[in-house]
Amino acid sequence: GAGVSQSPRYKVAKRGQDVALRCDPISGHVSLFWYQQALGQGPEFLTYFQNEAQLDKSGLPSDRFFAERPEGSVSTLKIQRTQQEDSAVYLCASIPRVGTDTQYFGPGTRLTVL
Amino acid sequence: AQSVTQLDSQVPVFEEAPVELRCNYSSSVSVYLFWYVQYPNQGLQLLLKYLSGSTLVKGINGFEAEFNKSQTSFHLRKPSVHISDTAEYFCAVLNTGRRALTFGSGTRLQVQP
Repeated sequence: GAGVSQSPRYKVAKRGQDVALRCDPISGHVSLFWYQQALGQGPEFLTYFQNEAQLDKSGLPSDRFFAERPEGSVSTLKIQRTQQEDSAVYLCASIPRVGTDTQYFGPGTRLTVL
Repeated sequence: AQSVTQLDSQVPVFEEAPVELRCNYSSSVSVYLFWYVQYPNQGLQLLLKYLSGSTLVKGINGFEAEFNKSQTSFHLRKPSVHISDTAEYFCAVLNTGRRALTFGSGTRLQVQP
């Protein structure tokens, strides 16, 4: 079946603009994660959803970052007033059930803030 | 708290040679261990994982890794690499009480003809 998809794949924003990044998890997957991968680094956890509930947002770097998953499927990561340090690849991952150890990753969205 | 250290940022190797990518972790609780591979402009793909049981785990594409609890290591190995193995490799841990993965900084494997 289809894997995790993310859109757009590439996004260029001017500093100060708001952006919205979309994640479509594998159909039926209960849990969804967002990670931020800076250039030359490993992914770092941002936030976690179980169905529509955001259970952990401890990794969000500032209050400019906001994520939602209103119907328990598609998720959107919104960044307000983007800064250059927000430039990174944003990865989404999903798992079919709580407690599943393997996360399935999407291709990521590369955000460049000029 | 937990952390993952990948000691080598880049590993150049000739085709058909063996390779080892090193990974050390620290954690105060039991963890699950993973290796993911990332090809250019693609997402992360699971290579292999250690949950429990045999400390030698085999994964896709001929890779294997050995869990060493006393040395807190989970090194990745392949006896003979191909050009197509050129990619970024990430070691990660999952705290059994937490949900998110903690990744190392990655090792770029560059296979040369």
